[in-house]
Amino acid sequence: NAGVTQTPKFQVLKTGQSMTLQCAQDMNHNSMYWYRQDPGMGLRLIYYSASEGTTDKGEVPNGYNVSRLNKREFSLRLESAAPSQTSVYFCAIVRGGDTQYFGPGTRLTVL
Amino acid sequence: EDQVTQSPEALRLQEGESSSLNCSYTVSGLRGLFWYRQDPGKGPEFLFTLYSAGEEKEKERLKATLTKKESFLHITAPKPEDSATYLCAVQAWDNYGQNFVFGPGTRLSVLP
Repeated sequence: NAGVTQTPKFQVLKTGQSMTLQCAQDMNHNSMYWYRQDPGMGLRLIYYSASEGTTDKGEVPNGYNVSRLNKREFSLRLESAAPSQTSVYFCAIVRGGDTQYFGPGTRLTVL
Repeated sequence: EDQVTQSPEALRLQEGESSSLNCSYTVSGLRGLFWYRQDPGKGPEFLFTLYSAGEEKEKERLKATLTKKESFLHITAPKPEDSATYLCAVQAWDNYGQNFVFGPGTRLSVLP
């Protein structure tokens, strides 16, 4: 997975609980992304970070917050989980200016 | 609004039966078009990048082509191990090239 790690691999939450999904890269890439993938809808961008200390909203940011405290790590936080946030979450980095490489994903279920 | 559609939604082929997957796009300014392969339970795996109409890229049994409105992923004499979901994505020049839009994918099954 091109040096992109995600934790945890699986998580089950109850409605209203909070959690943080972690993403780390082992290379020195500037751009990092968080996507969610739902059946039949493709990958949808939640947030991205063009460089350390900067973050921007994507297509579906509501209900999420992100943090890019250093160049290696980009975390995604759900403050109050809802069943609509049940999904598979992927982190990605950009290499060579344009090509995205993805982590293995976190499968989240909100009951 | 930038959009990507893919067809068919699902495709079943016999081993050795060649076919093509389609990716149609509308984008304000195309910086690049990407093809990915995704196996169940895994993250997308990069296959190709195409930048301009007329460009072609090949890798083993796969060949990607690009026109001004669509891209094709041609699969020649597929094998069962080619079974996967194939995703297409475009990168637009707006927003400093940070905007990637993905299609819903084509689920390919190759039967022995």
